Amino acid sequence: QITLKESGPTLVKPTQTLTLTCTFSGFSLSTGGVGLGWIRQPPGKALEWLALIYWDDDKRYSPSLKNRLTLTKDASKNQVVLTMTNMDPVDTATYYCAHMDSDGQGSETGDGAFDMWGQGTMVTVSS
Amino acid sequence: DIVMTQSPDSLAVSLGEGATINCKSSQSVLYSSDNKNYLAWYQQKPGQPPKLLIYWASTRESGVPDRFSGSGSGTDFTLTISSLQAEDVAVYYCQQYYTTPRTFGQGTKVEI
Repeated sequence: QITLKESGPTLVKPTQTLTLTCTFSGFSLSTGGVGLGWIRQPPGKALEWLALIYWDDDKRYSPSLKNRLTLTKDASKNQVVLTMTNMDPVDTATYYCAHMDSDGQGSETGDGAFDMWGQGTMVTVSS
Repeated sequence: DIVMTQSPDSLAVSLGEGATINCKSSQSVLYSSDNKNYLAWYQQKPGQPPKLLIYWASTRESGVPDRFSGSGSGTDFTLTISSLQAEDVAVYYCQQYYTTPRTFGQGTKVEI
């Protein structure tokens, strides 16, 4: 059974750096075809894709946020950490991590849909 | 970036009636080498994370009721709910995973 859980601060000040951790179980991020993504959703608004780390440690970032985002994984702890620098009130959102298994979906490219999501963690940016 | 545009933004459907949601991508998400459309549909109920309904534009995720179906290819896609149930009230999103950034549509709210 795959589970994911996001954790981190609920409130950060403008210009601070946000550090979010996704702790997962039921899969290994070292298994071929597996990836873990981050997606956010401002209150009442649509989903926005942020970043994705693949099983081979390849990382992809949203071009609009690339300079502010960093992904790291700790395989021994089954965790992926997302850091976002220079936080602004417009970054107020619920942040989700999500699992991808491209092999399980029959992909030949290593890309697939997000089939399991964490419950999300709400982050407010305010002074 | 590939822009995903859904229509309508919202729709009200009677119980037992059908609902159709459209999604148009600004460029094709059909990968020629495997002939797959890199397009997914998600359902998000209030206070919950999104749930995967459909991938490869038309493959239903395990456990998803067969009243949900996806169709389309290239740049034009459709999610159809054949007979709306009360538990289908939600916001539905399409997403392309053909290329980075993996963009979502703006969402379509389905109400009764």
